[in-house]
Parts: sequence; structure tokens; C-alpha cells
Amino acid sequence: EDQVTQSPEALRLQEGESSSLNCSYTVSGLRGLFWYRQDPGKGPEFLFTLYSAGEEKEKERLKATLTKKESFLHITAPKPEDSATYLCAVLSEPYGGATNKLIFGTGTLLAVQP
Amino acid sequence: GAVVSQHPSRVICKSGTSVKIECRSLDFQATTMFWYRQFPKQSLMLMATSNEGSKATYEQGVEKDKFLINHASLTLSTLTVTSAHPEDSSFYICSAGGITDTQYFGPGTRLTVL
Repeated sequence: EDQVTQSPEALRLQEGESSSLNCSYTVSGLRGLFWYRQDPGKGPEFLFTLYSAGEEKEKERLKATLTKKESFLHITAPKPEDSATYLCAVLSEPYGGATNKLIFGTGTLLAVQP
Repeated sequence: GAVVSQHPSRVICKSGTSVKIECRSLDFQATTMFWYRQFPKQSLMLMATSNEGSKATYEQGVEKDKFLINHASLTLSTLTVTSAHPEDSSFYICSAGGITDTQYFGPGTRLTVL
């Protein structure tokens, strides 16, 4: 069964303290891995799509990387406005055809203190 | 680009009434739209997938007669919660996908049933 696990569940950082969030996945065939940011009371905001092991993408203080088993979201010198829940999701391609159903992890709640 | 809107953002209704939520892709054609439900401090739960002009595909355990989904055009999908009850109170989020695998999410609708 396809599965996505995110760790840690919650992370508290001081402003400027870099860290990484982990997303490990088990799928029969990976079509894509997605990172989203969700603020309280709002819908998820798209950050990155990664398709193959070794791929990296950056946006401001965020950098996402992908291996065959996991993805990391690296946050460099975070600011309080980076506080949010970060969601990882995968799109799998099982035997018998493709599906466009995202499988979400439970998220990492990041709090960055000034 | 890739903006998805939802209307209304908040709705309060009496038990037994029906509520319609609209989801629009503003700057791209959404061949597929998805409806999710999110409970407090939990990840997103997919309710149904709809393709333009076709009947929606509902996830196991989601009542298709209670949650009516219409995807009449490439930019508009609606979710109607029929005969709403307090247990239907939740945060409903739509997402839209176009020619790529990436889903773009709306801002969500907070439904409260009294």
C-alpha cells in the first residue's frame, strides 16, 4: 500500500536556525512528489514538484531534494513568516494504469520564533 | 499563474438545508478537479475526483447523494452538501489540475451547520 510519512510532526526553530523536514514514501511507482505550505484556515499553497531521484528545486529560503525513498525540504535561515504546516504528497502509478490521486503525509508544523 | 478560487469562504446554515460551494480555476483550464475535507489538525481527506463533463468518482465512504459534485466546464466545479447536518461541519477545499500532474488548491470554505 502506498504510504507517506513526514517527520518531525512539529518543529520549533529560532529565526536564522536552518533545518530540514523529512518526507519518506513507499509507492509502487512514483509519478511525482509535491510539497505544499498550508497556513491556518487556508488551502495548501504549491511549493515544488519533484519527479526523479537527484532532482532539486529552490525557492527563496526553501530547497527540496528527492531520493528514491525520501524527500527533504531544507529551510535556510528561516524567518517567522515561514511558520506554517508543510505538507508532502506523492502521486503514484500502480500496476494496471495511472491514478491522479494524491497521497498526503500528515504534515510538519513549523514554528519560527523571532 | 495557477490561481484557484472558492466561494463562499465561510458559510453558516441550519440543519436540513443545502449548501453549494463553487470552485473556479481563474487562469488555466482544469481538466480534473478534486474535493477534499479537512478536520482540525489533520491532513486532507479526498472526497471525490471530477473530470469536466463526466460523473464524479467518489472515495470509499463518501455518500454521493449527500455530496453532489458538478464539473460543468473547464473552469468551474461545484460541491453541494445536501440536507446538511452538524457532523458535516468542516473545512472543504477544492483543487484543480490541468495538463501537468500538479494540483493547485483553493483557499477553502469553512462550513458550519447549526
